[in-house]
Amino acid sequence: DTGVSQNPRHKITKRGQNVTFRCDPISEHNRLYWYRQTLGQGPEFLTYFQNEAQLEKSRLLSDRFSAERPKGSFSTLEIQRTEQGDSAMYLCASSLAAAALRTDTQYFGPGTRLTVL
Amino acid sequence: KQEVTQIPAALSVPEGENLVLNCSFTDSAIYNLQWFRQDPGKGLTSLLLIQSSQREQTSGRLNASLDKSSGRSTLYIAASQPGDSATYLCAAYSGGSNYKLTFGKGTLLTVNP
Repeated sequence: DTGVSQNPRHKITKRGQNVTFRCDPISEHNRLYWYRQTLGQGPEFLTYFQNEAQLEKSRLLSDRFSAERPKGSFSTLEIQRTEQGDSAMYLCASSLAAAALRTDTQYFGPGTRLTVL
Repeated sequence: KQEVTQIPAALSVPEGENLVLNCSFTDSAIYNLQWFRQDPGKGLTSLLLIQSSQREQTSGRLNASLDKSSGRSTLYIAASQPGDSATYLCAAYSGGSNYKLTFGKGTLLTVNP
């Protein structure tokens, strides 16, 4: 499979627990993005990596959220002390930045659905 | 701040009908606009990307247009099929960002056999 993969696909946790999600981008892609999608809404941007550098974090990303992309390959998104409001689909996307184009097509993974009880 | 609106929120059509989905955006200084498809409980599949210098893009039965001056994009689906049933999302790169997509809420399309 040469697409973006995410694990786990589903996560149910109790309020106050920590959770970690993993995203494996398309192998040659240097950009990686995290989005969050709640029911009936479009995805909302959370954060963005260019190689291993985290270049922007949305105000939606509180101090309880942290994302890493060691070595510019896979990425993890950790949520500490989960709250019921964190329940959502967490989507990862990757792209290959091309100097010839101003923007590049983002390819999305299947998402991780988080339910906080 | 860019805002993206999609109308209608839901659409139900009989199989074989041609249809148009609408997307409007508030900031016309966009880099490009991308249309996605999302099946229930799944991730997003990119359908078409229109660069800001282009007016339309075509892929099979799909045609997307872009009018920056009016802040609108349309996705035209010809000869709709039940397999086209999904949520269609439009998203724009804008606000000086060439990496952050701003999405609409989507249009839920149902094609009835």
